[in-house]
Amino acid sequence: GQNIDQPTEMTATEGAIVQINCTYQTSGFNGLFWYQQHAGEAPTFLSYNVLDGLEEKGRFSSFLSRSKGYSYLLLKELQMKDSASYLCAGGTSGNTPLVFGKGTRLSVIA
Amino acid sequence: EAGVTQSPTHLIKTRGQQATLRCSPISGHTSVYWYQQALGLGLQFLLWYDEGEERNRGNFPPRFSGRQFPNYSSELNVNALELEDSALYLCASSLRAFTAKNIQYFGAGTRLSVL
Repeated sequence: GQNIDQPTEMTATEGAIVQINCTYQTSGFNGLFWYQQHAGEAPTFLSYNVLDGLEEKGRFSSFLSRSKGYSYLLLKELQMKDSASYLCAGGTSGNTPLVFGKGTRLSVIA
Repeated sequence: EAGVTQSPTHLIKTRGQQATLRCSPISGHTSVYWYQQALGLGLQFLLWYDEGEERNRGNFPPRFSGRQFPNYSSELNVNALELEDSALYLCASSLRAFTAKNIQYFGAGTRLSVL
């Protein structure tokens, strides 16, 4: 099967930078997605990578290395509202849906 | 522009009953996906509909079924409810059939509680 692994919980300080890692089997996916989910709310799309390298969108950046089966989400200038779960998901072309990791619950503290 | 909408927000049923959950995709999206998010398990893929047809289903028993209507809205039906069906059911939509570049947009979900 295609597994996606990410840490269960992380804590970081307001104003700091945090990196959330995601690893997967290299034979699986050709695109990696990141979603943010606040408690009790819908997951919201943050970014995706289909090519190796860094994609930057404001305070959020995502990196992908397809050969290593590795991605990370980088959050800069952390704010309290960034406290949420961050979901890594792998996608392939064809008739297969996204495969999600269990999510990383990030707590931003003062 | 309206996002993905789901109804009801909460649903309480007893074991053995049937539940029907509804989803309206973003205008212009033809693909609808259903996911189950149970506590501690992450999002598990249930069903995918595109252009009115079931395109793929996850590893769930046949009592989980659904359909997509001509206006691309969708229903998820869960028969013979069991306690472990208690979860948040999320619907997502995307443009056309799924490819690696297609972004799925999620609704706020229906929280199903089976007593």
